[in-house]
Amino acid sequence: ETGVTQTPRHLVMGMTNKKSLKCEQHLGHNAMYWYKQSAKKPLELMFVYNFKEQTENNSVPSRFSPECPNSSHLFLHLHTLQPEDSALYLCASSQDRTNEKLFFGSGTQLSVL
Amino acid sequence: SQQGEEDPQALSIQEGENATMNCSYKTSINNLQWYRQNSGRGLVHLILIRSNEREKHSGRLRVTLDTSKKSSSLLITASRAADTASYFCATFTGGGNKLTFGTGTQLKVEL
Repeated sequence: ETGVTQTPRHLVMGMTNKKSLKCEQHLGHNAMYWYKQSAKKPLELMFVYNFKEQTENNSVPSRFSPECPNSSHLFLHLHTLQPEDSALYLCASSQDRTNEKLFFGSGTQLSVL
Repeated sequence: SQQGEEDPQALSIQEGENATMNCSYKTSINNLQWYRQNSGRGLVHLILIRSNEREKHSGRLRVTLDTSKKSSSLLITASRAADTASYFCATFTGGGNKLTFGTGTQLKVEL
């Protein structure tokens, strides 16, 4: 148990659906991250929040919309996804943006049909 | 472009043997980290080595860093079946505070 909880663990959605991924950390960290992990590819950093403010958006398509209401919670809202968006979505946290060590959740395995 | 690249992509050994994985990177770093991932789960931080360090130990793990060659190695001694997982190196660069991951080495330890 890393102290970072992600729900749901698995999600199957159609291309016209709207769904949300949730991440909660119980570590008192101030930075939170969304990563995408596809087969045979390095982890891709999607978004970074530091003290609830978005500090990085790595050219992620607008069909992915993050939300960080407080330092403990992070959401990723999904709408009109494409089949190539199927992947493992990982949430992570760190003490702050300058702290190098990340704590990851178990991820949400997303399948877009 | 990819910063960290692990070698080999896959490794299969017998329990009790040592496992060595290598990581090469391209730009200057503040530190290099190794993470482990069990199938379909999140990554777990194993060890961090700073750019001014050459070797670090943690239990059965030994990490080396050669900044002149821009490479690192992770040695797992006396491997166990429970060590079966994917292992990723990640490089941390101060500019932009970026942590960049490689594609990983899949380790299988057989009984």
